[in-house]
Amino acid sequence: EADIYQTPRYLVIGTGKKITLECSQTMGHDKMYWYQQDPGMELHLIHYSYGVNSTEKGDLSSESTVSRIRTEHFPLTLESARPSHTSQYLCASSEPGQASYGYTFGSGTRLTVV
Amino acid sequence: AQKVTQAQTEISVVEKEDVTLDCVYETRDTTYYLFWYKQPPSGELVFLIRRNSFDEQNEISGRYSWNFQKSTSSFNFTITASQVVDSAVYFCALRYNNAGNMLTFGGGTRLMVKP
Repeated sequence: EADIYQTPRYLVIGTGKKITLECSQTMGHDKMYWYQQDPGMELHLIHYSYGVNSTEKGDLSSESTVSRIRTEHFPLTLESARPSHTSQYLCASSEPGQASYGYTFGSGTRLTVV
Repeated sequence: AQKVTQAQTEISVVEKEDVTLDCVYETRDTTYYLFWYKQPPSGELVFLIRRNSFDEQNEISGRYSWNFQKSTSSFNFTITASQVVDSAVYFCALRYNNAGNMLTFGGGTRLMVKP
């Protein structure tokens, strides 16, 4: 049973459209993350948050933006989608302060921009 | 800086063969944690195991086993008697007690098990 939910699971959208990928977790985790996974498999951290009203950019520059108004919700927005944004987007969360814990991942959103 | 290297991009085996996925890591920290995740075709990442830097005991869970060797900075993963359902991408990851507690992933190894 998933404790972190991503919607939609699949999305095909036209160039120039604005989209929001949803991510919600029920575990009360303060830390949340967005990863972009290219077809070559590698995972790239694009955004993370340490808690409400905290957002940071990750290792890979991304044109997307995120917000963290509530602990359980960490949506990702693309203001104007382009074909280069086609990818899988994975959301994750983790226990605060403890490196011994891994991340819990959502099922991902496969985005295709045509 | 920390880094995780999975040199094997893709491995193909026939069902019932044993297969080992290699993972080499770099970190200056003395306290750190190593992880393996499985990503089946459905896309989600599934946690398999966590190992801390002070525990070098190997672990076995069913057909899965892990060999942690600090001397060579390796944390290899072996699947015994592989099955088609083992086909997936496997990620090794490293996390340490810095301010961010970030998880650093290797590039992944795609395992294909053929019937």
